[in-house]
Amino acid sequence: AQSVTQPDIHITVSEGASLELRCNYSYGATPYLFWYVQSPGQGLQLLLKYFSGDTLVQGIKGFEAEFKRSQSSFNLRKPSVHWSDAAEYFCAVYMEYGNKLVFGAGTILRVKS
Amino acid sequence: GAVVSQHPSWVICKSGTSVKIECRSLDFQATTMFWYRQFPKQSLMLMATSNEGSKATYEQGVEKDKFLINHASLTLSTLTVTSAHPEDSSFYICSAREGGLPSYEQYFGPGTRLTVT
Repeated sequence: AQSVTQPDIHITVSEGASLELRCNYSYGATPYLFWYVQSPGQGLQLLLKYFSGDTLVQGIKGFEAEFKRSQSSFNLRKPSVHWSDAAEYFCAVYMEYGNKLVFGAGTILRVKS
Repeated sequence: GAVVSQHPSWVICKSGTSVKIECRSLDFQATTMFWYRQFPKQSLMLMATSNEGSKATYEQGVEKDKFLINHASLTLSTLTVTSAHPEDSSFYICSAREGGLPSYEQYFGPGTRLTVT
């Protein structure tokens, strides 16, 4: 069955440090992959998406993600984290069969000063 | 940008009562709306998909008679939790898709926290 795994429930990084959030997916076809961020009281905001082409995708707020088919991964990265990046991050894959998004469990990012 | 609102943002109700949650697209016409449920430390689970003017399509395992979805206009969908019980306590999130766009182009509301006592 199609699924998305985010191995890390919580991650804490120091402000200014680099960040990598992991995402692995299970999907038979070429995946459409997404990263969303959810701040308290806010809706999910799309950070970036991958459909095809260049496997390194640039998003908003300085985030990027790299699609690695051999590892079934789509990890999110940011070179220097800001305190305002503290939020919950969700990876998702679009299933054409079923016409729906399937989300990972989310990773809560804490930023310490 | 496209904005989706939900009302209320949180609600407490007594067991056995019904509660209605509204989802509105504020600056676009949403031909499709999606309702998700999110448990703590778990992912968003799609409950149902509704197209304006049509009956909602429910995901497997979701009780149609308990979670009533109405999508009567291009800017409003409602989720009614009927005869709520404590196990229905959760975070409910809606999203909306503008007509003509692929289903993965969804705009999400801020969610509604439901607590059933």
